[in-house]
Amino acid sequence: DAGVIQSPRHEVTEMGQEVTLRCKPISGHDYLFWYRQTMMRGLELLIYFNNNVPIDDSGMPEDRFSAKMPNASFSTLKIQPSEPRDSAVYFCASTFGTYVGKLFFGSGTQLSVL
Amino acid sequence: RKEVEQDPGPFNVPEGATVAFNCTYSNSASQSFFWYRQDCRKEPKLLMSVYSSGNEDGRFTAQLNRASQYISLLIRDSKLSDSATYLCVVNKAAGNKLTFGGGTRVLVKP
Repeated sequence: DAGVIQSPRHEVTEMGQEVTLRCKPISGHDYLFWYRQTMMRGLELLIYFNNNVPIDDSGMPEDRFSAKMPNASFSTLKIQPSEPRDSAVYFCASTFGTYVGKLFFGSGTQLSVL
Repeated sequence: RKEVEQDPGPFNVPEGATVAFNCTYSNSASQSFFWYRQDCRKEPKLLMSVYSSGNEDGRFTAQLNRASQYISLLIRDSKLSDSATYLCVVNKAAGNKLTFGGGTRVLVKP
């Protein structure tokens, strides 16, 4: 079975550009999480969805970040405009509601904003 | 104070030795606890859940101390392949918001 699929694997962009990260969760999972990982701050939860509905977006850094989940098989995280401090690895994870502790992570997107 | 705190290490461990490390959490209402493992440049993966009575999974033993608000992970007979960063994860009482600690790096050496 395919796991959580993220694209792109690597993204290099210039400051001010729009960046869109994509995630396909495991089929049948009803929770989807977006995390950001940096050396300084570790893994930070940005936002999570339940049945395609955003439940908690308190971790979204600022208005430059937005996330959507138009259907059960697709989610996007958008940064507009991007800044160098947004450089990080962005992970998407999904799981069943009955066992939220077991997150299945994608391989991540390494974002570099120059 | 961070919600979930870990000693970043690294813990340098001779192959075959035992290593143990803790994780403290600040929210006394936290209900669920987990250990994840993350290899270099890879995604985190669930290692084991932590139950109130403590639990083992092969060479790995997890303990929970609610009174002092910490969980621990012990690795016996360390293998070179155990070299990784171990992330402590806590689920708050309300909602399904998993909070990760900064991780403890373990290096097992021959």
